[in-house]
Amino acid sequence: QKEVEQNSGPLSVPEGAIASLNCTYSDRGSQSFFWYRQYSGKSPELIMSIYSNGDKEDGRFTAQLNKASQYVSLLIRDSQPSDSATYLCAVPGSFISNFGNEKLTFGTGTRLTIIP
Amino acid sequence: DVKVTQSSRYLVKRTGEKVFLECVQDMDHENMFWYRQDPGLGLRLIYFSYDVKMKEKGDIPEGYSVSREKKERFSLILESASTNQTSMYLCASSLYGTGTFGYTFGSGTRLTVV
Repeated sequence: QKEVEQNSGPLSVPEGAIASLNCTYSDRGSQSFFWYRQYSGKSPELIMSIYSNGDKEDGRFTAQLNKASQYVSLLIRDSQPSDSATYLCAVPGSFISNFGNEKLTFGTGTRLTIIP
Repeated sequence: DVKVTQSSRYLVKRTGEKVFLECVQDMDHENMFWYRQDPGLGLRLIYFSYDVKMKEKGDIPEGYSVSREKKERFSLILESASTNQTSMYLCASSLYGTGTFGYTFGSGTRLTVV
């Protein structure tokens, strides 16, 4: 099993609708989770981080974490064409391995297209 | 804001050349990273440095080396470039405690080896 898994998409969502992106992870000891947005030809930028079970909201973005089920999701409300990008889920490695917690493991990303 | 600057946006090199990719960050971060990103394979860690002159191999270190002589600068070296090293190279940095803060990425270097 891959450490961090995402549906590669592409995911197409009409403008104004809710986009839902999902990520599962294998390490039950993971404590923090990150969502990065990457526009085509650009580098990833951090848009959300979440550490506790439940929801965390930031503007139109909501991150949801369920540690028991080992999944984290990102909801984008009122989707805009500018939200069209690849979204990467990232999880720190294990504390067990040397400096493992200092390194992020990334999913392969979900490509989201917002249709005007 | 933290700035991570990669010296070149696009590079074209010949097979067998020695290639240097430079990365500089301006916020006194302890950790610095080099990844490559390829379609379908995602981001793969090449090397990681947690302090000056300290380095750790990532998942795909073969054919690469790194240098960190100063805290702000982390260089990736392709000893003898090959066509399978054509890729997008991304540098990132973080405070010690990546699990809390995450990374900041540079703008990337798209390297083509011909």
